[in-house]
Amino acid sequence: KNQVEQSPQSLIILEGKNCTLQCNYTVSPFSNLRWYKQDTGRGPVSLTIMTFSENTKSNGRYTATLDADTKQSSLHITASQLSDSASYICVVRAAGNKLTFGGGTRVLVKP
Amino acid sequence: GAGVSQSPSNKVTEKGKDVELRCDPISGHTALYWYRQSLGQGLEFLIYFQGNSAPDKSGLPSDRFSAERTGGSVSTLTIQRTQQEDSAVYLCASTPGGAGTGAFFGQGTRLTVV
Repeated sequence: KNQVEQSPQSLIILEGKNCTLQCNYTVSPFSNLRWYKQDTGRGPVSLTIMTFSENTKSNGRYTATLDADTKQSSLHITASQLSDSASYICVVRAAGNKLTFGGGTRVLVKP
Repeated sequence: GAGVSQSPSNKVTEKGKDVELRCDPISGHTALYWYRQSLGQGLEFLIYFQGNSAPDKSGLPSDRFSAERTGGSVSTLTIQRTQQEDSAVYLCASTPGGAGTGAFFGQGTRLTVV
């Protein structure tokens, strides 16, 4: 069964600090992996997309990594800002196009 | 429209009543997903439509929940005899298919059962 597990479920960090979110998946055959940011009361918005051959991709202060061998991805937030407070969702696409969504990690950045 | 549209944006209903939530996907998108997000919880998969294939209903929590997608476009999620635990934000997402495409999400319907 295709699954996407995210950890931690939630975390609190101080403004200016870094944090790393984890995504482990069992989706096969793998096509790509996206990280989404969901602000409170809004729909999720795509941050990055990772394909099989990509190990690292950055979008501003967000850096995503992918290890296709271990089926793990991480999203690193550098120098966190209050506006980073949101839910971060990992979504994996199988080669047959079906998406499997992780449950998300809720991040709270405190001043 | 340019994006996925969900209606209503907010719905307050009495326990025991039926509700219908609507999702208008982006035109031409073949796949459509319903999720719900309870307060303080992550996304919970409900149902997946892909083209003319039989929908994947494996995430529907009970037989009070059902969904349809007419003509491969608009989808309606129906909850019968609503319970307080049904209170959540119901999110709809659609994708056009193809490996490079991501999901496009609606803004969600916030359902409150009182």
